[in-house]
Amino acid sequence: DTAVSQTPKYLVTQMGNDKSIKCEQNLGHDTMYWYKQDSKKFLKIMFSYNNKELIINETVPNRFSPKSPDKAHLNLHINSLELGDSAVYFCASSGGHRETQYFGPGTRLLVL
Amino acid sequence: AQKVTQAQTEISVVEKEDVTLDCVYETRDTTYYLFWYKQPPSGELVFLIRRNSFDEQNEISGRYSWNFQKSTSSFNFTITASQVVDSAVYFCALSEAGANAGKSTFGDGTTLTVKP
Repeated sequence: DTAVSQTPKYLVTQMGNDKSIKCEQNLGHDTMYWYKQDSKKFLKIMFSYNNKELIINETVPNRFSPKSPDKAHLNLHINSLELGDSAVYFCASSGGHRETQYFGPGTRLLVL
Repeated sequence: AQKVTQAQTEISVVEKEDVTLDCVYETRDTTYYLFWYKQPPSGELVFLIRRNSFDEQNEISGRYSWNFQKSTSSFNFTITASQVVDSAVYFCALSEAGANAGKSTFGDGTTLTVKP
């Protein structure tokens, strides 16, 4: 019944590794997002996809690459992980850009 | 550019007190949307309310109420008779409808602690 789900919930990895976070929504929404929440709880949008098309790409290092295989999924791949990438990453979805965004439970990434 | 300011970083109250969380926003769009989200200690982000720029009617939902005033660009959130379970980080957010559609800007959050 989970509306927006993310896997994994926790991710601990070494610097330099490549990792992926998966997101799925079963709300039938057209738009999906990735956000990063740092240790101070500041929440910043990273990417937005609408119908599998990249709409928003904030100032994010190109080590971060989102991929949307279909409307219900938006995955985030991170290459060459750095210590500063440690954060909570939230996926969200909405019926459109003007609609309410519903968030997944978050993925807590720790880079050692 | 859009901006959301939550000037109160932390607020601490005793149970049953009323508390107001302030939110001031900046936007050049005439059509925009304002949101409040709650992030309890468990970490999930819970949607509370959405308000569009054409609807200045205040809203009440149980112990929660919201005061939207375009004249002061504010969208404040009041919790009446606070409870310990209200302890959380509360985020105000703004989403524009124009060229930046979908690019939601979140305030830095207000951490509310309700003590028994």
